[in-house]
Amino acid sequence: GENVEQHPSTLSVQEGDSAVIKCTYSDSASNYFPWYKQELGKGPQLIIDIRSNVGEKKDQRIAVTLNKTAKHFSLHITETQPEDSAVYFCAATGANYGGSQGNLIFGKGTKLSVKP
Amino acid sequence: ETGVTQTPRHLVMGMTNKKSLKCEQHLGHNAMYWYKQSAKKPLELMFVYSLEERVENNSVPSRFSPECPNSSHLFLHLHTLQPEDSALYLCASSQEADSLGSYEQYFGPGTRLTVT
Repeated sequence: GENVEQHPSTLSVQEGDSAVIKCTYSDSASNYFPWYKQELGKGPQLIIDIRSNVGEKKDQRIAVTLNKTAKHFSLHITETQPEDSAVYFCAATGANYGGSQGNLIFGKGTKLSVKP
Repeated sequence: ETGVTQTPRHLVMGMTNKKSLKCEQHLGHNAMYWYKQSAKKPLELMFVYSLEERVENNSVPSRFSPECPNSSHLFLHLHTLQPEDSALYLCASSQEADSLGSYEQYFGPGTRLTVT
């Protein structure tokens, strides 16, 4: 089945620097790749996503890139701020289990700390 | 707020108790999910309901019993749990996948469960 590897597990940056989190996936049929941010005491919040027909997507300080050939995708956060500190999860669609639904396979998460 | 609410937020139960977790979504979605989040492990998909029918049961022990009475509500009934079942239980909802395979899932804040 699908396997998603995420690196690094922890990342510490200075405020204003950029942060990059990388994920690889194993199922070449995966076609949807969301990124979630989880703050302490809250559920994961979708921050950006990308589909397999697009190579890059940007939303203000956040961007995601996808390399289908290499089966990896990355989250880029520029001009980091202390409020960016959280755990970030990548995910990729796995095999369908009937109907039109596919499930999401998640990476283990990256704890990002942005120091003022 | 994501439009997905969960109650209770915290639950402590003994191994012989029976309790239920509740999830409600106000987004007009027709698919709902239960996930288990344990420390240092990826989010684990437990159950998927699409149009109130269970379409995925990811090898979850029978001591966890889901119920989806309508597209807005999802329950997880718990009985005779084990200490290793202590975790954060997250509910999510989404529309069904479209032709491009979009699976934008929106999570609730979770129920922190402790089994003593």
